[in-house]
Amino acid sequence: KAGVTQTPRYLIKTRGQQVTLSCSPISGHRSVSWYQQTPGQGLQFLFEYFSETQRNKGNFPGRFSGRQFSNSRSEMNVSTLELGDSALYLCASGPGGSSTDTQYFGPGTRLTVL
Amino acid sequence: AQSVTQPDIHITVSEGASLELRCNYSYGATPYLFWYVQSPGQGLQLLLKYFSGDTLVQGIKGFEAEFKRSQSSFNLRKPSVHWSDAAEYFCAVAHSGGYQKVTFGTGTKLQVIP
Repeated sequence: KAGVTQTPRYLIKTRGQQVTLSCSPISGHRSVSWYQQTPGQGLQFLFEYFSETQRNKGNFPGRFSGRQFSNSRSEMNVSTLELGDSALYLCASGPGGSSTDTQYFGPGTRLTVL
Repeated sequence: AQSVTQPDIHITVSEGASLELRCNYSYGATPYLFWYVQSPGQGLQLLLKYFSGDTLVQGIKGFEAEFKRSQSSFNLRKPSVHWSDAAEYFCAVAHSGGYQKVTFGTGTKLQVIP
């Protein structure tokens, strides 16, 4: 089975721009979660989608949004980029969305905001 | 609120020596606990998980962890460290509630010296 894939792997943007990141979960997985990883804040939960519905979200401003498609692929969008948005964005997929399901992580998208 | 504490930011061990990485959690109910490993530039790989039952959990790559409810701890151990174990290790707790959301500790960076 192919793992979780994220595209692009690297991205450079300037302040004020917007960006869209993509995540393809493991085949058959219906839950997709997004995390932001920075040296200062560590790994922080952004949001989780299951069957195209956002079930939970973390404490991030509204500039961070996401969606999930019927094939479980997910996109994350950040509008009006700020320097502090520079981070590794990790996507994780799980089979059924249960709290006890193991999440499988992709390699991440490294976003640099200049 | 759920939280995870990893008191050691950096640990250096000699190859062949034993390893113990500490993790303390704060959670009201029975916790679902995980250890993940992240190599430089990579996503997170699950080492092991604990949901219930036997408090000593075996994982991949020769790692094990012991759940101690009385100490709110879930320490990771390995009897003999290999140079390839150099990486960052994250302890995490999953939230209950029918969705997938994980709170991570700040991580422990492991250096292995010859």
